[in-house]
Amino acid sequence: ETGVTQSPTHLIKTRGQQVTLRCSSQSGHNTVSWYQQALGQGPQFIFQYYREEENGRGNFPPRFSGLQFPNYSSELNVNALELDDSALYLCASSLGTVASSSYGYTFGSGTRLTVV
Amino acid sequence: AQSVTQPDIHITVSEGASLELRCNYSYGATPYLFWYVQSPGQGLQLLLKYFSGDTLVQGIKGFEAEFKRSQSSFNLRKPSVHWSDAAEYFCAVGAPAGNNRKLIWGLGTSLAVNP
Repeated sequence: ETGVTQSPTHLIKTRGQQVTLRCSSQSGHNTVSWYQQALGQGPQFIFQYYREEENGRGNFPPRFSGLQFPNYSSELNVNALELDDSALYLCASSLGTVASSSYGYTFGSGTRLTVV
Repeated sequence: AQSVTQPDIHITVSEGASLELRCNYSYGATPYLFWYVQSPGQGLQLLLKYFSGDTLVQGIKGFEAEFKRSQSSFNLRKPSVHWSDAAEYFCAVGAPAGNNRKLIWGLGTSLAVNP
């Protein structure tokens, strides 16, 4: 049973650029959540995808967008990067319907994004 | 407003000593409660969770946590700390029902272990 894989592990981008982060879910998991963890902070919920549709969104602007694919892998896209977007981006997969998820999250190791 | 407070930013203990990490929450109803651990360069690993029932919850790596409704607390404990326990510890809460699957996290407590 594979875990959650995120790529790339590290990334440096310039302010104003766009970035795509990728997440491969744990086998059998159909739900993916993305979190942003700034240095010295706890993770902040960005959004969740269930069966390829967005299911819940945190307090993040529309320039943060996502996709979930039929194989349940996922992408996080961030447009018009700002310096404050520098953070560790964590992907977590889980199994269950929207209403019955038991929060069995499996987290990836994250992508460290630095915006300069 | 929903929030999680971990009052201790940094704790240092000696190997073999007991440990207690504090967590207090503010939520409309009794939420689901979690403790996660994050080692440097690693993702978050679930230590234990509380949904309902027995208020003393056993987790992995010898950790346990006690839910106290009257104090809105969910403190993490370990009777004897090992050097490998040095890491960042996060308390998190989630909605007990409905469509909201997001977790709300504390700022974390950094644990250092002296030999």
